[in-house]
Amino acid sequence: GQQVMQIPQYQHVQEGEDFTTYCNSSTTLSNIQWYKQRPGGHPVFLIQLVKSGEVKKQKRLTFQFGEAKKNSSLHITATQTTDVGTYFCAAPYSGAGSYQLTFGKGTKLSVIP
Amino acid sequence: DGGITQSPKYLFRKEGQNVTLSCEQNLNHDAMYWYRQDPGQGLRLIYYSQIVNDFQKGDIAEGYSVSREKKESFPLTVTSAQKNPTAFYLCATRRGNTIYFGEGSWLTVV
Repeated sequence: GQQVMQIPQYQHVQEGEDFTTYCNSSTTLSNIQWYKQRPGGHPVFLIQLVKSGEVKKQKRLTFQFGEAKKNSSLHITATQTTDVGTYFCAAPYSGAGSYQLTFGKGTKLSVIP
Repeated sequence: DGGITQSPKYLFRKEGQNVTLSCEQNLNHDAMYWYRQDPGQGLRLIYYSQIVNDFQKGDIAEGYSVSREKKESFPLTVTSAQKNPTAFYLCATRRGNTIYFGEGSWLTVV
């Protein structure tokens, strides 16, 4: 399968500060997905981006897909303690009738109250 | 996610023993997956199944085995051949492009 690189691995922010995590692929992606995993929990789907240059918003979260469809970012405005968790990007790999998702290593966000 | 049940939640295994993790779903999804999660390593694919009676190896299949005799069930066996089995194991299903995860099983080798 393909690989997706995600940075940073960890991020500590003061509550109210912004946060951004980046995901990069060496190959063009058909789509990219973002998941959030709360501490002690399991990953939960947040959003899927499909179109080149696409930008989607969910309240304080802004997701972008690069023009070349090789990179993506998740930006959180004015973080809150409820944003704590690990954010993963994931890209699909299809071949020989199969479908797999390759996950980045995730960015673990800590929010200091 | 509701509809995917993993058991047990916590499991301790002695070295040299095989252990089977259960995954049951009532979502009527054809595709099912097993991922392993280690700190700082993200999620790594162990095995996946697109349909009943068929499954394929993922990136880290060595030391693991699966079966898919029913649509609803995709159990994972961690064998004694797995050198470093202590991890968090996540079962998942897929609808369209979206993956839905169970709550996971923590396996510790003692």
